[in-house]
Amino acid sequence: AQSVTQLDSQVPVFEEAPVELRCNYSSSVSVYLFWYVQYPNQGLQLLLKYLSGSTLVKGINGFEAEFNKSQTSFHLRKPSVHISDTAEYFCAVSGGSYIPTFGRGTSLIVHP
Amino acid sequence: EAGVVQSPRYKIIEKKQPVAFWCNPISGHNTLYWYRQNLGQGPELLIRYENEEAVDDSQLPKDRFSAERLKGVDSTLKIQPAELGDSAVYLCASSRVSGRAMGEQYFGPGTRLTVT
Repeated sequence: AQSVTQLDSQVPVFEEAPVELRCNYSSSVSVYLFWYVQYPNQGLQLLLKYLSGSTLVKGINGFEAEFNKSQTSFHLRKPSVHISDTAEYFCAVSGGSYIPTFGRGTSLIVHP
Repeated sequence: EAGVVQSPRYKIIEKKQPVAFWCNPISGHNTLYWYRQNLGQGPELLIRYENEEAVDDSQLPKDRFSAERLKGVDSTLKIQPAELGDSAVYLCASSRVSGRAMGEQYFGPGTRLTVT
């Protein structure tokens, strides 16, 4: 079985500050990893994905994530956030079952 | 290209009433998913279709939920009868690839169901 843990339910940050949203996973097989963003009253939008190759993955809107196999982590980072980044962020993993499992989400709140 | 289309966007019904949600995936995407997202939670898979075949439906409460994708394109998810605990957002997603890369999905805006 696979699982995803998003360690922070809410992350408040000031505009233009850096941010890291944490994600840890467990799986008995090699995995593909994803980060999605969900704005209010909208569906999920893919931010970035790790399938193979370089462990540093760059996505849309200036976000990046690093796959760390030894720590089973896939943390999401942005060096300088904007008010418009306020949203819910979901980490997801797909492994042996091929069905993606989502974390519970982290609410990023950017203050002016 | 057009995104995943869902309707209605919002639905309020009384318990024990039936309700149906419709989804049209992105053209060319053979895999279609229905998820339920409870407040403050991530999406949970209800059913996955490969073309018109339901290949993962273990999480679908089959006593009251049903789904169909007759021609392998659009899909309908039905609840009959609805219960208070069914209040949630129902998300439809589609993907072009298979295998573990199925996580690369495209989501519709969802249908917010409120059962009173």
